[in-house]
Amino acid sequence: GAVVSQHPSWVICKSGTSVKIECRSLDFQATTMFWYRQFPKQSLMLMATSNEGSKATYEQGVEKDKFLINHASLTLSTLTVTSAHPEDSSFYICSARDWTGGDYGYTFGSGTRLTVV
Amino acid sequence: AQSVTQLGSHVSVSEGALVLLRCNYSSSVPPYLFWYVQYPNQGLQLLLKYTSAATLVKGINGFEAEFKKSETSFHLTKPSAHMSDAAEYFCAVTRTGNQFYFGTGTSLTVIP
Repeated sequence: GAVVSQHPSWVICKSGTSVKIECRSLDFQATTMFWYRQFPKQSLMLMATSNEGSKATYEQGVEKDKFLINHASLTLSTLTVTSAHPEDSSFYICSARDWTGGDYGYTFGSGTRLTVV
Repeated sequence: AQSVTQLGSHVSVSEGALVLLRCNYSSSVPPYLFWYVQYPNQGLQLLLKYTSAATLVKGINGFEAEFKKSETSFHLTKPSAHMSDAAEYFCAVTRTGNQFYFGTGTSLTVIP
């Protein structure tokens, strides 16, 4: 089945630094990928929709200059948290969409636990 | 607008008992509906999905869900709970495939 690899699985960084999270579709091409944020004991909130070769579409309230998304190829999307602060600490999950058997399929990465100290 | 409501943020069942996790959706047109399971510090794993075919959908690990349009519901069930079923469960809806709306999640505890 479809596999999405997300790295790193956890990262600790100092306040003010930037962190890059990668999301790769391993055995399929994903024109569209999604980035979610999940706070403890809460649901997933869509941050942005990433389309290969074009600018990401950000949800209301998400700072595009802080959460930089790049989808340069059909198998890789990256999320860079710039100038991270403790309030950015969260669980970030990506999802890749593919079209198989006449239907959309959505595969989630295993998530990245970001802790900003 | 679309949304899903999961009734009960915490559900506890005894091992071997029926599991019932509730999900109601709000959508102006028939949506795609999903159930996902999340184990601690992991991503989401698809249990099953409804895409306007059969209203009773069978998924992995013995789970199934029934789409009931008259009740706008898509409840998740499993006849007999296992200890390994303890996890967080999310119901999600999408109509266009571009925007997923997740419920707030239900934490399932299985009591030995």
